[in-house]
Amino acid sequence: DVKVTQSSRYLVKRTGEKVFLECVQDMDHENMFWYRQDPGLGLRLIYFSYDVKMKEKGDIPEGYSVSREKKERFSLILESASTNQTSMYLCASTQGTGAEQYFGPGTRLTVT
Amino acid sequence: QQQVKQSPQSLIVQKGGISIINCAYENTAFDYFPWYQQFPGKGPALLIAIRPDVSEKKEGRFTISFNKSAKQFSLHIMDSQPGDSATYFCAASIAPNYQLIWGAGTKLIIKP
Repeated sequence: DVKVTQSSRYLVKRTGEKVFLECVQDMDHENMFWYRQDPGLGLRLIYFSYDVKMKEKGDIPEGYSVSREKKERFSLILESASTNQTSMYLCASTQGTGAEQYFGPGTRLTVT
Repeated sequence: QQQVKQSPQSLIVQKGGISIINCAYENTAFDYFPWYQQFPGKGPALLIAIRPDVSEKKEGRFTISFNKSAKQFSLHIMDSQPGDSATYFCAASIAPNYQLIWGAGTKLIIKP
């Protein structure tokens, strides 16, 4: 069974704080993704990575950065959290040419 | 041209009824059309997917109908059950990277 885990289920941070969200997958998948999910907007891609140390911007990368030092781990960083980054954050992974994305349970981030 | 438009935003169906969710796209290069199911507190999980060389795919009570000329595809849930209550997302992508373009989601409630 593919397992994607995210470091926190719920997180509350203050405006201006640096926030780290971590994602780990145990199936040796090449590709990893970070999305944010907001009601009525579906899933929007923030960043994705096709390999270690490789990253590509998605549709809404502003205010975010990522790090992938090891194949199994993909971190999302909010450099200076703002209230408009309050959202559900989802991590996903896929095999190299596989179409199915496997998701973690999500981190609900509240920025106050 | 990269959008996938999903409707309705929410849907209430009586137990035993048929639930129908629709999606439309513009980009004729899309070649993979999955549906994901998301329960509260969980990440989305692949439910069923179709490629444009077939017009219909059935898995148990779940059927995708695909109309290539109209650039539309839909999810039908037969004999809907309370356990089907979830948010459903359609998506589309292009080989080989299968980066998904997501619909906005449909919250389905099955009334007992």
